[in-house]
Amino acid sequence: DGGITQSPKYLFRKEGQNVTLSCEQNLNHDAMYWYRQDPGQGLRLIYYSQIVNDFQKGDIAEGYSVSREKKESFPLTVTSAQKNPTAFYLCASKGQGVTYGYTFGSGTRLTVV
Amino acid sequence: GDSVTQMEGPVTLSEEAFLTINCTYTATGYPSLFWYVQYPGEGLQLLLKATKADDKGSNKGFEATYRKETTSFHLEKGSVQVSDSAVYFCALHGDTGGFKTIFGAGTRLFVKA
Repeated sequence: DGGITQSPKYLFRKEGQNVTLSCEQNLNHDAMYWYRQDPGQGLRLIYYSQIVNDFQKGDIAEGYSVSREKKESFPLTVTSAQKNPTAFYLCASKGQGVTYGYTFGSGTRLTVV
Repeated sequence: GDSVTQMEGPVTLSEEAFLTINCTYTATGYPSLFWYVQYPGEGLQLLLKATKADDKGSNKGFEATYRKETTSFHLEKGSVQVSDSAVYFCALHGDTGGFKTIFGAGTRLFVKA
């Protein structure tokens, strides 16, 4: 079955470390997105990509970086510049056109220790 | 710009009660409208959608009708179950060239046995 796989499910980061969250999809979707969700809060867009080798900043891109070298993959790096990285991170993809909804992964919970 | 406003939670209901979660939107053009559901510790799942005025989306006993005259897309279910306890997000995707889906803040639903 097609879907999105995020890994790891839980991730612990020490102060000053960079960590990379994986997101892979086999839906043949062009568009992919990264969202951050804090406890009891809605979704905030970090980065999105409409096509391979191209991506745009979302509303809270500072302290994060992404790459899109393959259509299937859109990894997110949380850098040491992100001062408050503890959150739930969600990756999503979307088919072409306004009538298609998002398919979300199951999320990665990142905790700073 | 486009926006989505949904009723604040939490909403607490007894099993078999009627559910309404209000959602209104602001958008230019003719957006598609969506409801997503998020169970604890998981990613969001597409619950239902409507892509044009007067369309009714439905799934798993939930329904929502795209009302352009009142710019609303309220979620309803005739008889809720304990298993419906989750956070519900209203969202829109515009047709004016943007590449982002706009999410509401989410409404948490608790259903008591």
